[in-house]
Amino acid sequence: EAGVAQSPRYKIIEKRQSVAFWCNPISGHATLYWYQQILGQGPKLLIQFQNNGVVDDSQLPKDRFSAERLKGVDSTLKIQPAKLEDSAVYLCASSPTGLGVDEQFFGPGTRLTVL
Amino acid sequence: GQNIDQPTEMTATEGAIVQINCTYQTSGFNGLFWYQQHAGEAPTFLSYNVLDGLEEKGRFSSFLSRSKGYSYLLLKELQMKDSASYLCAVRGGNNRLAFGKGNQVVVIP
Repeated sequence: EAGVAQSPRYKIIEKRQSVAFWCNPISGHATLYWYQQILGQGPKLLIQFQNNGVVDDSQLPKDRFSAERLKGVDSTLKIQPAKLEDSAVYLCASSPTGLGVDEQFFGPGTRLTVL
Repeated sequence: GQNIDQPTEMTATEGAIVQINCTYQTSGFNGLFWYQQHAGEAPTFLSYNVLDGLEEKGRFSSFLSRSKGYSYLLLKELQMKDSASYLCAVRGGNNRLAFGKGNQVVVIP
């Protein structure tokens, strides 16, 4: 079974520029998550999708971050414009249902550096 | 909201046993997860507890006490490859998974 795929793996941009990340979840998984992990901290949920609908985006800085999951499969996360404090690893995860014992499977992440 | 507390770092010798603690406060509770994360890699699932007691899985065991808001992960027969960060994550009443900062375990020969 193929895992969660993410691209790019690394990205360096200057502040105020825009950047987009792509995620392809495990086939058949209804739930998709985007997390932000700052160095030395645990992952922080940015947004959760159930199929192509948003379930939880309460921690997404909506003035600069946006995400979509068209057709309930792939997802993109965009930052526009980027700030220095956005430097982090952006992890995408998926799970079959998002409930109970449902394990989340993580992709390799995109390491973003904002200069 | 959810608040999860873990010690930041510990060092242990190969072959030893190490216990990693996690205390939490949450509105509603739908389970506690432990994940392992090697440096520069994604977290991988280790265990899940939703009822009180001990869950054993090979060299790893996880314990939960819901009344105390407390869990621990026990690693036995430590190997060098166990050097990693161990993340405690709680699924609250809103079904959101909230992660602690992680406990960095360093295994030395």
